[in-house]
Parts: sequence; structure tokens; C-alpha cells
Amino acid sequence: DSGVTQTPKHLITATGQRVTLRCSPRSGDLSVYWYQQSLDQGLQFLIQYYNGEERAKGNILERFSAQQFPDLHSELNLSSLELGDSALYFCASRGRGGNTIYFGEGSWLTVV
Amino acid sequence: GEDVEQSLFLSVREGDSSVINCTYTDSSSTYLYWYKQEPGAGLQLLTYIFSNMDMKQDQRLTVLLNKKDKHLSLRIADTQTGDSAIYFCAESKGGNEKLTFGTGTRLTIIP
Repeated sequence: DSGVTQTPKHLITATGQRVTLRCSPRSGDLSVYWYQQSLDQGLQFLIQYYNGEERAKGNILERFSAQQFPDLHSELNLSSLELGDSALYFCASRGRGGNTIYFGEGSWLTVV
Repeated sequence: GEDVEQSLFLSVREGDSSVINCTYTDSSSTYLYWYKQEPGAGLQLLTYIFSNMDMKQDQRLTVLLNKKDKHLSLRIADTQTGDSAIYFCAESKGGNEKLTFGTGTRLTIIP
């Protein structure tokens, strides 16, 4: 158990819909990262938050957004979903001053 | 730019050593990581090495780093069936920076 919790574990939704994926980082970790894993694109960095502020942005679509709340949990919002958004979405957290980044079990999103 | 490359597949006989290779392009990479992903599971951090080190050993795992050639390897001694998984190499510039992952190497164990 990495200590990073993601919900839901599995989600099936229709095209055009909106979903929210939730991540609770390890206790005390300030940095949260979101990654997308798909068969054709591999593991792609989406966005990073540090202590509530956006820290870095990667290959995140405009239809996607994220935020980190005062209690440090984070949410990834995916809207106007397309079939190609079907993927495994990972959240990870990095400890304060640490070099280790731990990943959650991921949220499987299937868009039908 | 950042680019991390790995071979896609590796097959090894049970009991032999597995060596998974990785190359990266960014000379400012400070930390290099190995993650393991079993079928249907998340990414498990196996080990990481700081760029000023040449080698790190942790039980059956040995990481070798050739900074000059930007080459990283993971050796798994006495490979077992439970080692079947996809192994990802990743690099980071350290501090609070993100990880950039390779494509992953699928390790298959031959009985």
C-alpha cells in the first residue's frame, strides 16, 4: 500500500459526459501529480499541484482541469468525454523534501 | 528535451538474472527511478538512484548508472514468476519536478 488513495477505481461513462477523479496523497505530502496511461501514449504527465497551487502542466487537454484543496486532496475533472479519453489515470504524491514519488492504484475510466 | 527509451519486451528463464535497460537524453536528470506494474495494478516504486552514484543494490535488485552514456539498468537476480510485470524507467530533475517515463519493458518469465 503506497498510501496514495484514488477513487473511484473503475468508472464507465458515456461520450459527452463529465467525471471527477479524486486523489488523497500520503499524509503530509504537499505535491500531487496526475498521469494518464493509455495503450498508445504510455504514461503521460498531465499536471502537478504543490500545496494548493498549480506547479507544472504537461499534456493536459483543455477539457480537463484539476485542483488541490486546502486539505491537500486533489481532483481531476474530465469533461466532454471522448472515446479516446478511456485510460488509467494515476495520481502520485511526493513527500516534503523527498525524492520518492508514490503512485495510487489508479482510476480506470472507460468511455462508451 | 526529455526522452526516456526502453526495449518493449524481455523474456528470461526462471532462476536466471534479468537485465532491463533504459537510456535517457536529458543530462540534467538528477534522479532515476524504476517502477513495477503488475497486470491491472498501479505503479510500485522499486528503487531509485541519484545521478552521482554508479550503483545501488537492494536485495535482488541492482541498479547501474552510466551517466556518461546516459544509460540505466535494472538487474533482477534469481528471477521468479512473481517478477512478471512491466518495468518502467523514469527520470526527474529532482527538487519538486515531475517524472518522465519510458515506454516500459514487459518482462516474461519462462518456466
